[in-house]
Amino acid sequence: NAGVTQTPKFQVLKTGQSMTLQCAQDMNHNSMYWYRQDPGMGLRLIYYSASEGTTDKGEVPNGYNVSRLNKREFSLRLESAAPSQTSVYFCASRLKGTLAGVGTEAFFGQGTRLTVV
Amino acid sequence: SQKIEQNSEALNIQEGKTATLTCNYTNYSPAYLQWYRQDPGRGPVFLLLIRENEKEKRKERLKVTFDTTLKQSLFHITASQPADSATYLCATGGLGSGNTGKLIFGQGTTLQVKP
Repeated sequence: NAGVTQTPKFQVLKTGQSMTLQCAQDMNHNSMYWYRQDPGMGLRLIYYSASEGTTDKGEVPNGYNVSRLNKREFSLRLESAAPSQTSVYFCASRLKGTLAGVGTEAFFGQGTRLTVV
Repeated sequence: SQKIEQNSEALNIQEGKTATLTCNYTNYSPAYLQWYRQDPGRGPVFLLLIRENEKEKRKERLKVTFDTTLKQSLFHITASQPADSATYLCATGGLGSGNTGKLIFGQGTTLQVKP
C-alpha cells in the first residue's frame, strides 16, 4: 500500500497563477484533510472532507477551494496564488473522523513545498 | 473559537532524562487528544491517543496524561535518546463542540536530546 500520495512534491508559481495539488489515499479512509505548515505555526487546517460528498472549511480557507472527487481523492486548488500562500502543504486521511468518542489516527502524505514569487 | 496550544519554545534536554511536553486546549471539550511526531521534511506520524475518560496511556517509553480539569495533556518520553529529537504535535477533534470530523493541531514543540 502506498498510503497517502501527494503530487507534486515541489512547485514554484508566479503571483496570480493557478494550480491544483493532488492527494490520493488507498486505505479506504472516509475522512481527508488539507493542512498548511509555516514556521512556528504548526499545522493549520485549510479544508476537510469528513466523508465522500462533503467538504467543510477549516481554520484558514481563504484563497483555496477543494474537491472530493471520490473516496480516494481530495484536491486543493489555488485559483490566484499569492506570496502569502508560500508554505508546505500536507494532505492527510483517516478512517473515520466522526465516530463518537473514537479518534482514529491520521496518516499524512510527504508534503508539497510551494513557493509563490 | 477552539484552540489547542503547545509551548512553541524548543525543549533541550540531556540524554537519559525525561522530556515533558505540554498541550493545552480552550473553548473545547475534546473527546480525545492525539500526539504525533514530525521529523524535518516529513509528514507527522501518529504516536498515541488518549480518550477523555482515560487518565493515562503508555506505549514503551512514552506516556500521555489527560487532565480535563486543567484542560491539559502532558506527553512524557522517559530515558530520552538523541533519536527522539523531533517536533511533537498534539491534535484534537471529536465530540464536545459539534463533532464534524475536524482535526486541529497545536503549533508543535521541538525536542532536542543532547548526548
